[in-house]
Amino acid sequence: DGGITQSPKYLFRKEGQNVTLSCEQNLNHDAMYWYRQDPGQGLRLIYYSQIVNDFQKGDIAEGYSVSREKKESFPLTVTSAQKNPTAFYLCASRTSGNSYEQYFGPGTRLTVT
Amino acid sequence: DAKTTQPNSMESNEEEPVHLPCNHSTISGTDYIHWYRQLPSQGPEYVIHGLTSNVNNRMASLAIAEDRKSSTLILHRATLRDAAVYYCQAGGTSYGKLTFGQGTILTVHP
Repeated sequence: DGGITQSPKYLFRKEGQNVTLSCEQNLNHDAMYWYRQDPGQGLRLIYYSQIVNDFQKGDIAEGYSVSREKKESFPLTVTSAQKNPTAFYLCASRTSGNSYEQYFGPGTRLTVT
Repeated sequence: DAKTTQPNSMESNEEEPVHLPCNHSTISGTDYIHWYRQLPSQGPEYVIHGLTSNVNNRMASLAIAEDRKSSTLILHRATLRDAAVYYCQAGGTSYGKLTFGQGTILTVHP
């Protein structure tokens, strides 16, 4: 089955630790995205990547880093510089062309204490 | 990408039609309008999209204003399973930046 996988579903970390969230897709999509969602809020764009080895900052990139070494993978690192990292993180991908929709993964809920 | 504005919440009764509006006044000529819906603790799922003409699929219909500055998602007969947060999105030229607004929480009463 084609789709997007995010792991783990739940992640717990202590304050001050970096943590990396996984996102893998087997849809052969060029573009990939990371969003953050806080309770009762909409999705906010963290980073996006249009092709391998290239990515751009979204609206809330501070305290986050990404890499895109393979087409299938777009991991997100939440660094200790992110002041409020506890949130629901969603990864998405899309094929080329304006008309195509995004496909979303099931999300990772990160709790930092 | 264009900023989108939606009402915070709407309510409907089961088996009645629902019209969910969205404003996207800064949309560019090549931006498509996509609608997604999200259930609690899940990723959003695609509902429908369009460019200029009204669109229908098995889930919903999309009515796009002639000036493209607004659109309306139409659920012809709401069911309890349609209760979700609905987001409209306008943008994404080629691989570009794709953002979401706050969305509309749809409550469906039995």
